[in-house]
Amino acid sequence: DSGVTQTPKHLITATGQRVTLRCSPRSGDLSVYWYQQSLDQGLQFLIQYYNGEERAKGNILERFSAQQFPDLHSELNLSSLELGDSALYFCASSHTGGEGTEQYFGPGTRLTVT
Amino acid sequence: QKEVEQDPGPLSVPEGAIVSLNCTYSNSAFQYFMWYRQYSRKGPELLMYTYSSGNKEDGRFTAQVDKSSKYISLFIRDSQPSDSATYLCAMSAMDSSYKLIFGSGTRLLVRP
Repeated sequence: DSGVTQTPKHLITATGQRVTLRCSPRSGDLSVYWYQQSLDQGLQFLIQYYNGEERAKGNILERFSAQQFPDLHSELNLSSLELGDSALYFCASSHTGGEGTEQYFGPGTRLTVT
Repeated sequence: QKEVEQDPGPLSVPEGAIVSLNCTYSNSAFQYFMWYRQYSRKGPELLMYTYSSGNKEDGRFTAQVDKSSKYISLFIRDSQPSDSATYLCAMSAMDSSYKLIFGSGTRLLVRP
């Protein structure tokens, strides 16, 4: 158990809908990363937050957004969902988000868009 | 060309064998190198973490980094059926985010 929690475990929804994925980092970790894992693209970095502030963006679609709250939990919002958004979404956390810090992954949320 | 290349396997070995897993990369800015183990439909689990070149050992696992060749390896000694999983290499640069760039993963099967 990495100490990172994610809810829900599974999500099934229809195209055009909006969903919210939730992540709680390990105790004491200030940085949260979101990754998407699909069969054809592998694990891809989406976005990073550090202590409530956005720090870096990767291949995140404009239909997707995220935020980190004062209690450091983070939410990833996916809207106007398409079939191709079906994937595993992972959250990872690290202590500072800077040099020399390991990232620990949560169990993931499996999103199925029908 | 992908920044990180990893043979997808599958790699099938008998129990007790020494396993060698490898990744190559093209970005010379990578400074941090990690190996994760991922069981089916589970979150990646951090196995090894190294900075720059050199070797690191932890139990049955040894990680090697050769920055001059842009090549990293993970060795598993006395492999067990419970080691059967997908092994992902990951790397990050000393930039503002330290985001991880992953290889595609190698599927390992250890036969009893």
